[in-house]
Amino acid sequence: QPVLTQSSSASASLGSSVKLTCTLSSGHSTYIIAWHQQQPGKAPRFLMKVEGSGSYNKGSGVPDRFSGSSSGADRYLTISNLQSEDEADYYCETWDSNTHVFGTGTKVTVL
Amino acid sequence: EVQLVESGGGLVQPGGSLRLSCAASGFTFSTYWMHWVRQAPGKGLVWVSRINSDGSSRTYADSVKGRFTISRDNTKNTLYLQMNSLRAEDTAVYYCARGTTGTYGGAFDIWGQGTMVTVSS
Repeated sequence: QPVLTQSSSASASLGSSVKLTCTLSSGHSTYIIAWHQQQPGKAPRFLMKVEGSGSYNKGSGVPDRFSGSSSGADRYLTISNLQSEDEADYYCETWDSNTHVFGTGTKVTVL
Repeated sequence: EVQLVESGGGLVQPGGSLRLSCAASGFTFSTYWMHWVRQAPGKGLVWVSRINSDGSSRTYADSVKGRFTISRDNTKNTLYLQMNSLRAEDTAVYYCARGTTGTYGGAFDIWGQGTMVTVSS
């Protein structure tokens, strides 16, 4: 089954950009992943799905500041013009015929 | 408005049972895969189970297989999770989510607000 690897934390200054990475395990480099945001004390929110080609499809109401990309087994989430409300945990998700898996999440701190 | 609303959580003793419900509105429930995902206090998201649009296919995480049963009633636009033989490690917020992509409904694009399940004596 696929495994997703994420860094535990990232930080950047207000108004700057941050790029989060989600790495697919060996043999799963072509998989589609989804990115979810979870603000403190709230339910997760779907941000986008990212394909191996680099194309991405965002959820309804997701600001233009959020974008996705891909390189090999890596899937990226870039947040531009970082805002205070972007301080949250970010999880990637993927699936196969037997299961769905999440990465361990990256905690983003806005400095 | 597209919405999922969970209910049924609470405090239950080890070995006990609980049934969670997830009421869907604002979309054609009967055409989507649906999932349950849980999150233990201070921990990450963990997928629990999925069911296809007509209820004919169900899959479970190994940690709940044989104890939990997912089901749905498309006439009531409601998803269920029957949880039996509950253990302390099942303590978590349980979310229902809508799946959108591919054969197995990955990429959860709508999430409920969650319902807390606490297993303790």
